[in-house]
Amino acid sequence: GENVEQHPSTLSVQEGDSAVIKCTYSDSASNYFPWYKQELGKRPQLIIDIRSNVGEKKDQRIAVTLNKTAKHFSLHITETQPEDSAVYFCAATYSGGGADGLTFGKGTHLIIQP
Amino acid sequence: IAGITQAPTSQILAAGRRMTLRCTQDMRHNAMYWYRQDLGLGLRLIHYSNTAGTTGKGEVPDGYSVSRANTDDFPLTLASAVPSQTSVYFCASSGGGRGYTFGSGTRLTVV
Repeated sequence: GENVEQHPSTLSVQEGDSAVIKCTYSDSASNYFPWYKQELGKRPQLIIDIRSNVGEKKDQRIAVTLNKTAKHFSLHITETQPEDSAVYFCAATYSGGGADGLTFGKGTHLIIQP
Repeated sequence: IAGITQAPTSQILAAGRRMTLRCTQDMRHNAMYWYRQDLGLGLRLIHYSNTAGTTGKGEVPDGYSVSRANTDDFPLTLASAVPSQTSVYFCASSGGGRGYTFGSGTRLTVV
């Protein structure tokens, strides 16, 4: 089955600086890679996703890059703000035919220092 | 109902008791999932269902069962709860290529 590794487990950055979270996956058949943000006591919320037919996707201050050859993908947050503080999870799955669920990384606790 | 609803929000359960966590969605998504979230371990898939009438086992299925009698409902049953099943349980659904939507979670404590 799929295995997703996520680094770092904790990331502290100054407000206004950029944050980068990296994930690797093991199953070359995976073709859908979402990122979720989870605030304390809340449900995971999808913030951005990318499919294997593109290498980069951007949405305002958030971007995701994908390298299928190396089997890794990254989340980039620019101009970080206090409300970006949360736990971020990457995930991977094969999206097509049967839906057998996302495999998640163990999460990154992002701390934005004022 | 808007989106995906879980019940109860939280529960304290005596070990050995049977418990069903409820999950209902109104988005007509074909696929539904149950995850458990434990500190340091992230979200792990318990069971999933591609469509009504079918279910499959995820990464950590032991001690849990599911059913999918219709598109909207996907209950998770603990036949005889044990303390290691203390966790936060999230139901999710997917469809239409718009990613996975999560419910608000059930915090279960088995004592």
